Amino acid sequence: NAGVTQTPKFRILKIGQSMTLQCTQDMNHNYMYWYRQDPGMGLKLIYYSVGAGITDKGEVPNGYNVSRSTTEDFPLRLELAAPSQTSVYFCASSYGRDRGTEAFFGQGTRLTVV
Amino acid sequence: AQSVTQLGSHVSVSEGALVLLRCNYSSSVPPYLFWYVQYPNQGLQLLLKYTSAATLVKGINGFEAEFKKSETSFHLTKPSAHMSDAAEYFCAVSEGFGNEKLTFGTGTRLTIIP
Repeated sequence: NAGVTQTPKFRILKIGQSMTLQCTQDMNHNYMYWYRQDPGMGLKLIYYSVGAGITDKGEVPNGYNVSRSTTEDFPLRLELAAPSQTSVYFCASSYGRDRGTEAFFGQGTRLTVV
Repeated sequence: AQSVTQLGSHVSVSEGALVLLRCNYSSSVPPYLFWYVQYPNQGLQLLLKYTSAATLVKGINGFEAEFKKSETSFHLTKPSAHMSDAAEYFCAVSEGFGNEKLTFGTGTRLTIIP
């Protein structure tokens, strides 16, 4: 079972460049999330989606955009990359919104902006 | 507002020794609490969760955690550490519905000494 798949696994960007982090899940989950993980900071929510066509901001959305055209895919777009966006990015999905619903995570994308 | 504090960013224990990872939370409502584990170069995986049923929760790989309301704690334990337990562990709290309401702690890296 593939679960949540993220590509690429690693990327180096120059300041001002843009890129899209891909995320796809094969579990037919309606709910999907993007987090960033910084050393000593835990995970912070960037954007989330409760279904195709519906997205909303999380705690740290500035500098990012998302779209959700299908249930499976939830790409994260970085426009005008900045060094502050150097981080590890995780995509996650869950089947429901009940309290206690487990989130399934991808393996992450390690992004360095130089 | 909810928050999580993980005491000790790094913990080292000898193989076969007790593992104790500390987590204290703050929540304005009865919380749901989670422990996630992140093995090297992988995404997060749910270890166990407390959802207001039994206060002693058993998870995968021999881990368990006890919810103590009076101490606002949800410490993670394992009686005998194994080399394969080396990973980063995140405590998380949720006050509301949906994983967008999750607040993660800053993580504890567990090292097992042979």
